[in-house]
Amino acid sequence: NAGVTQTPKFQVLKTGQSMTLQCAQDMNHNSMYWYRQDPGMGLRLIYYSASEGTTDKGEVPNGYNVSRLNKREFSLRLESAAPSQTSVYFCASSEDQLVVQFFGPGTRLTVL
Amino acid sequence: DAKTTQPTSMDCAEGRAANLPCNHSTISGNEYVYWYRQIHSQGPQYIIHGLKNNETNEMASLIITEDRKSSTLILPHATLRDTAVYYCIVKYYGGSQGNLIFGKGTKLSVKP
Repeated sequence: NAGVTQTPKFQVLKTGQSMTLQCAQDMNHNSMYWYRQDPGMGLRLIYYSASEGTTDKGEVPNGYNVSRLNKREFSLRLESAAPSQTSVYFCASSEDQLVVQFFGPGTRLTVL
Repeated sequence: DAKTTQPTSMDCAEGRAANLPCNHSTISGNEYVYWYRQIHSQGPQYIIHGLKNNETNEMASLIITEDRKSSTLILPHATLRDTAVYYCIVKYYGGSQGNLIFGKGTKLSVKP
């Protein structure tokens, strides 16, 4: 089992560019999450998907969109990147909306 | 979800037990205590959780006081690889929003 995988690992964008961060899990989990972590800070929830076909906003959703493509995959899209979106992005999954979440290795995004 | 308070940092000698405290004085009767850790630059890793009884697994032990207002995570024989930021999180089990609220945690430094 690979667990939770994320691509890419690193990305540099210019202001205004768009990109999609990919996340996949092979644990047959129902719920998936996207967090961001700024330097020296805790994680903050961007969006989550309680089950296939549903998505909900988290604490900091502005500037992002998500797609729950199927049970395995949950993508995060930045339509017009801004320097304030420079961060490390973590995807996570859980069996249900339980607290034992499994995290991916992260995507380090820099917006110039 | 109840607020938690943890020391900013702690040191521990390699091979000794690391005892990480967490205060959650406003915890409700059906809220669980969860511990995660984040090793530098990696995604958070689940360690253990409990409601009111002490819990032990292959990674750690969790001691919750009888009044449930505080808890201690114990790493019985700390190694250099246990150097990480440790997060104590209080959460309803299976709550309607499963996101984790990560504070700043305790930075544990295990020294040779």
